[in-house]
Amino acid sequence: AQTVTQSQPEMSVQEAETVTLSCTYDTSESNYYLFWYKQPPSRQMILVIRQEAYKQQNATENRFSVNFQKAAKSFSLKISDSQLGDTAMYFCAFTNFGNEKLTFGTGTRLTIIP
Amino acid sequence: DTAVSQTPKYLVTQMGNDKSIKCEQNLGHDTMYWYKQDSKKFLKIMFSYNNKELIINETVPNRFSPKSPDKAHLNLHINSLELGDSAVYFCASSRRGQTHSYEQYFGPGTRLTVT
Repeated sequence: AQTVTQSQPEMSVQEAETVTLSCTYDTSESNYYLFWYKQPPSRQMILVIRQEAYKQQNATENRFSVNFQKAAKSFSLKISDSQLGDTAMYFCAFTNFGNEKLTFGTGTRLTIIP
Repeated sequence: DTAVSQTPKYLVTQMGNDKSIKCEQNLGHDTMYWYKQDSKKFLKIMFSYNNKELIINETVPNRFSPKSPDKAHLNLHINSLELGDSAVYFCASSRRGQTHSYEQYFGPGTRLTVT
Protein backbone atom coordinates (compact mmCIF):
# COMPACT_ATOMS: atom_id res chain seq x y z
CA ALA A 1 0.00 0.00 0.00
CA GLN A 2 1.14 3.49 -0.75
CA THR A 3 1.75 5.92 2.07
CA VAL A 4 2.43 9.64 2.08
CA THR A 5 4.16 11.34 4.99
CA GLN A 6 4.26 15.03 5.80
CA SER A 7 6.47 15.49 8.84
CA GLN A 8 5.77 19.19 9.45
CA PRO A 9 2.32 19.64 11.01
CA GLU A 10 2.72 23.43 11.16
CA MET A 11 5.01 26.05 9.68
CA SER A 12 5.08 29.83 9.64
CA VAL A 13 7.10 32.28 7.63
CA GLN A 14 7.28 36.02 7.12
CA GLU A 15 5.62 37.48 4.08
CA ALA A 16 7.91 37.63 1.01
CA GLU A 17 10.18 34.88 2.35
CA THR A 18 10.66 31.43 0.84
CA VAL A 19 9.34 28.30 2.53
CA THR A 20 9.74 24.61 1.75
CA LEU A 21 7.21 21.96 2.74
CA SER A 22 8.39 18.36 2.95
CA CYS A 23 6.73 15.21 1.68
CA THR A 24 7.94 11.63 1.42
CA TYR A 25 6.08 8.69 0.01
CA ASP A 26 6.41 4.96 -0.20
CA THR A 27 5.51 2.88 -3.24
CA SER A 28 6.75 -0.08 -5.19
CA GLU A 29 5.33 1.32 -8.42
CA SER A 30 7.49 3.01 -11.03
CA ASN A 31 4.80 5.07 -12.78
CA TYR A 32 2.86 7.52 -10.68
CA TYR A 33 1.86 11.13 -10.17
CA LEU A 34 2.46 13.40 -7.21
CA PHE A 35 0.47 16.49 -6.35
CA TRP A 36 0.33 19.35 -3.91
CA TYR A 37 -3.11 20.62 -2.98
CA LYS A 38 -3.87 23.75 -1.01
CA GLN A 39 -6.84 24.08 1.32
CA PRO A 40 -7.39 27.66 2.52
CA PRO A 41 -9.85 28.49 5.32
CA SER A 42 -12.60 28.51 2.69
CA ARG A 43 -12.25 24.70 2.68
CA GLN A 44 -11.88 24.48 -1.11
CA MET A 45 -9.23 22.00 -2.30
CA ILE A 46 -7.07 23.70 -4.92
CA LEU A 47 -4.50 21.92 -7.07
CA VAL A 48 -1.18 23.76 -6.76
CA ILE A 49 1.24 21.65 -8.78
CA ARG A 50 1.67 18.23 -10.35
CA GLN A 51 4.69 16.04 -11.06
CA GLU A 52 4.85 12.96 -13.26
CA ALA A 53 7.30 10.40 -11.91
CA TYR A 54 8.75 9.65 -15.36
CA LYS A 55 9.77 13.29 -15.83
CA GLN A 56 13.14 14.22 -14.41
CA GLN A 57 12.50 17.94 -14.68
CA ASN A 58 10.97 19.48 -11.56
CA ALA A 59 7.56 21.07 -12.08
CA THR A 60 7.08 24.81 -11.57
CA GLU A 61 3.98 26.98 -11.47
CA ASN A 62 4.76 30.65 -10.98
CA ARG A 63 5.96 31.00 -7.36
CA PHE A 64 5.51 27.30 -6.66
CA SER A 65 8.11 24.69 -7.52
CA VAL A 66 8.91 21.17 -6.44
CA ASN A 67 12.06 19.26 -5.67
CA PHE A 68 11.33 15.72 -6.83
CA GLN A 69 13.88 13.13 -5.76
CA LYS A 70 12.60 9.83 -7.11
CA ALA A 71 15.28 7.59 -5.60
CA ALA A 72 14.74 9.15 -2.19
CA LYS A 73 10.95 9.16 -2.69
CA SER A 74 10.85 12.79 -1.71
CA PHE A 75 8.60 15.52 -3.12
CA SER A 76 8.98 18.91 -1.46
CA LEU A 77 7.13 22.12 -2.33
CA LYS A 78 8.91 25.46 -2.41
CA ILE A 79 6.90 28.65 -2.22
CA SER A 80 8.85 31.74 -3.20
CA ASP A 81 7.94 35.32 -2.30
CA SER A 82 5.24 34.05 0.02
CA GLN A 83 2.01 36.02 0.20
CA LEU A 84 -0.71 36.30 2.81
CA GLY A 85 -3.03 34.39 0.50
CA ASP A 86 -0.72 31.38 0.73
CA THR A 87 -1.92 30.79 4.30
CA ALA A 88 -3.58 27.37 4.11
CA MET A 89 -3.28 23.66 4.76
CA TYR A 90 -1.08 22.01 2.16
CA PHE A 91 -1.56 18.36 1.28
CA CYS A 92 0.84 16.15 -0.61
CA ALA A 93 -0.94 13.43 -2.61
CA PHE A 94 0.01 10.38 -4.67
CA THR A 95 -1.66 8.25 -7.32
CA ASN A 96 -0.48 5.32 -9.42
CA PHE A 97 -1.00 4.96 -13.13
CA GLY A 98 -4.22 3.01 -13.48
CA ASN A 99 -5.26 3.64 -9.88
CA GLU A 100 -8.06 6.08 -9.53
CA LYS A 101 -7.61 7.24 -5.97
CA LEU A 102 -5.48 9.92 -4.38
CA THR A 103 -3.61 8.98 -1.21
CA PHE A 104 -3.05 12.08 0.90
CA GLY A 105 -0.53 13.02 3.55
CA THR A 106 -1.70 14.45 6.86
CA GLY A 107 -1.11 18.02 5.76
CA THR A 108 1.04 20.99 6.79
CA ARG A 109 -0.64 24.09 8.14
CA LEU A 110 1.25 27.06 6.70
CA THR A 111 0.81 30.56 8.12
CA ILE A 112 2.23 33.60 6.35
CA ILE A 113 2.98 36.35 8.86
CA PRO A 114 2.53 39.96 7.71
CA ASP B 1 -18.90 28.71 -14.01
CA THR B 2 -18.70 26.19 -11.19
CA ALA B 3 -16.66 23.16 -12.23
CA VAL B 4 -17.61 20.75 -9.44
CA SER B 5 -20.58 21.68 -7.28
CA GLN B 6 -22.04 20.05 -4.20
CA THR B 7 -25.30 20.53 -2.39
CA PRO B 8 -25.82 21.24 0.38
CA LYS B 9 -22.66 22.91 1.68
CA TYR B 10 -23.77 22.48 5.27
CA LEU B 11 -25.93 19.74 6.69
CA VAL B 12 -26.93 19.41 10.34
CA THR B 13 -29.03 16.44 11.30
CA GLN B 14 -29.78 14.07 14.16
CA MET B 15 -28.52 10.58 14.74
CA GLY B 16 -30.54 7.92 12.98
CA ASN B 17 -31.67 10.15 10.13
CA ASP B 18 -31.05 9.47 6.43
CA LYS B 19 -29.50 12.19 4.28
CA SER B 20 -28.14 12.71 0.77
CA ILE B 21 -25.40 14.87 -0.70
CA LYS B 22 -25.44 15.70 -4.40
CA CYS B 23 -22.50 16.37 -6.69
CA GLU B 24 -22.37 17.62 -10.27
CA GLN B 25 -19.45 18.41 -12.55
CA ASN B 26 -19.47 20.30 -15.83
CA LEU B 27 -15.89 19.52 -16.83
CA GLY B 28 -16.78 16.63 -19.14
CA HIS B 29 -14.91 14.22 -16.87
CA ASP B 30 -15.78 10.54 -16.77
CA THR B 31 -14.61 9.65 -13.26
CA MET B 32 -16.01 10.95 -9.99
CA TYR B 33 -15.07 10.40 -6.37
CA TRP B 34 -16.19 10.85 -2.79
CA TYR B 35 -13.60 11.69 -0.14
CA LYS B 36 -14.09 12.11 3.60
CA GLN B 37 -12.10 14.67 5.61
CA ASP B 38 -12.20 14.02 9.34
CA SER B 39 -11.82 16.45 12.21
CA LYS B 40 -8.03 16.18 12.01
CA LYS B 41 -8.16 17.21 8.33
CA PHE B 42 -7.18 13.75 7.09
CA LEU B 43 -8.57 13.03 3.62
CA LYS B 44 -9.46 9.51 2.56
CA ILE B 45 -11.09 8.07 -0.55
CA MET B 46 -14.50 6.48 -0.08
CA PHE B 47 -15.78 5.69 -3.57
CA SER B 48 -14.94 6.16 -7.20
CA TYR B 49 -17.16 5.83 -10.26
CA ASN B 50 -16.10 5.68 -13.90
CA ASN B 51 -18.84 6.07 -16.50
CA LYS B 52 -21.46 5.27 -13.86
CA GLU B 53 -19.62 2.09 -12.80
CA LEU B 54 -18.32 1.67 -9.25
CA ILE B 55 -14.56 1.06 -9.37
CA ILE B 56 -13.42 1.86 -5.84
CA ASN B 57 -15.17 1.06 -2.57
CA GLU B 58 -12.77 1.60 0.31
CA THR B 59 -14.21 -0.39 3.22
CA VAL B 60 -16.97 2.10 3.81
CA PRO B 61 -19.93 0.99 5.98
CA ASN B 62 -22.96 -0.25 4.06
CA ARG B 63 -24.91 2.72 5.40
CA PHE B 64 -23.14 4.76 2.72
CA SER B 65 -24.49 4.20 -0.76
CA PRO B 66 -23.23 6.16 -3.75
CA LYS B 67 -25.28 6.49 -6.92
CA SER B 68 -24.21 7.79 -10.30
CA PRO B 69 -27.18 8.44 -12.61
CA ASP B 70 -24.83 9.71 -15.35
CA LYS B 71 -21.19 10.70 -15.85
CA ALA B 72 -21.79 14.22 -14.59
CA HIS B 73 -23.47 13.33 -11.32
CA LEU B 74 -22.50 11.37 -8.24
CA ASN B 75 -24.69 11.36 -5.15
CA LEU B 76 -24.01 10.01 -1.69
CA HIS B 77 -26.82 8.67 0.46
CA ILE B 78 -26.19 7.94 4.11
CA ASN B 79 -28.60 5.85 6.19
CA SER B 80 -28.93 5.78 9.96
CA LEU B 81 -26.47 8.59 10.56
CA GLU B 82 -24.04 8.22 13.47
CA LEU B 83 -22.02 10.77 15.41
CA GLY B 84 -18.85 9.47 13.78
CA ASP B 85 -20.16 10.39 10.35
CA SER B 86 -19.62 14.05 11.16
CA ALA B 87 -16.98 15.23 8.68
CA VAL B 88 -16.50 17.20 5.50
CA TYR B 89 -17.37 15.21 2.39
CA PHE B 90 -15.70 16.19 -0.86
CA CYS B 91 -16.74 15.25 -4.34
CA ALA B 92 -14.05 15.27 -7.04
CA SER B 93 -13.78 14.47 -10.72
CA SER B 94 -11.11 13.63 -13.26
CA ARG B 95 -10.66 12.37 -16.80
CA ARG B 96 -9.52 8.79 -17.23
CA GLY B 97 -7.61 7.60 -20.27
CA GLN B 98 -4.22 7.00 -21.79
CA THR B 99 -3.23 10.61 -21.96
CA HIS B 100 -5.06 12.12 -19.05
CA SER B 101 -3.24 13.70 -16.21
CA TYR B 102 -4.90 12.17 -13.20
CA GLU B 103 -5.66 15.62 -11.89
CA GLN B 104 -8.67 15.59 -9.65
CA TYR B 105 -10.80 18.69 -9.25
CA PHE B 106 -12.68 19.06 -6.03
CA GLY B 107 -16.04 20.48 -5.09
CA PRO B 108 -16.44 22.94 -2.21
CA GLY B 109 -17.20 20.19 0.31
CA THR B 110 -20.24 19.44 2.44
CA ARG B 111 -19.82 19.83 6.18
CA LEU B 112 -22.02 17.20 7.81
CA THR B 113 -22.73 17.55 11.51
CA VAL B 114 -24.59 14.77 13.27
CA THR B 115 -26.04 15.65 16.68
